[in-house]
Amino acid sequence: GESVGLHLPTLSVQEGDNSIINCAYSNSASDYFIWYKQESGKGPQFIIDIRSNMDKRQGQRVTVLLNKTVKHLSLQIAATQPGDSAVYFCAEIQNQAGTALIFGKGTTLSVSS
Amino acid sequence: NAGVTQTPKFQVLKTGQSMTLQCAQDMNHNSMYWYRQDPGMGLRLIYYSASEGTTDKGEVPNGYNVSRLNKREFSLRLESAAPSQTSVYFCATRAGWGTDTQYFGPGTRLTVL
Repeated sequence: GESVGLHLPTLSVQEGDNSIINCAYSNSASDYFIWYKQESGKGPQFIIDIRSNMDKRQGQRVTVLLNKTVKHLSLQIAATQPGDSAVYFCAEIQNQAGTALIFGKGTTLSVSS
Repeated sequence: NAGVTQTPKFQVLKTGQSMTLQCAQDMNHNSMYWYRQDPGMGLRLIYYSASEGTTDKGEVPNGYNVSRLNKREFSLRLESAAPSQTSVYFCATRAGWGTDTQYFGPGTRLTVL
């Protein structure tokens, strides 16, 4: 079965609201996680990453939280904008030799004005 | 810098035809990857090359072959295309030193009739 998954396939928010996108993983040995944003017709774009020795990391308008106890990852987007509309994927590293990423299925974020 | 480039952007094949998808990077990264993305799914790893001269199978390698031509280029070949290989193919790279972040190309949309 799939190791990384997202709780909700779609999320709709109003412009200016804060968005929270969730992800659960099953491999407790995973030590690196990444969030990607994918706009229609484009490749995934790196947003933010976090290692398992951290529980929080902040970027510009984005925060990633990692709860290793329940194997849960979340991406928080502050003051969501229409340009944030995209599919968001979480991914984990499971293979240190090749550092192959395992992706979840994605959450589609729709931001309305 | 162009980053990661992929050719062609679109391709239509008939069942049994062969073709090669090209990927090139100008970031001097060591590792390169090929993923496929099917509707409503995350990306799945086909093959990867941890460094120049090495290649390894990923999660879904059947029906594909790869060549790490040099440090810059990593090609994916379909010897006898099948409708099940209709997908969007993404190439990605990773520096290989001090970071696990992968950077993606724009993708090749392949349809096999």
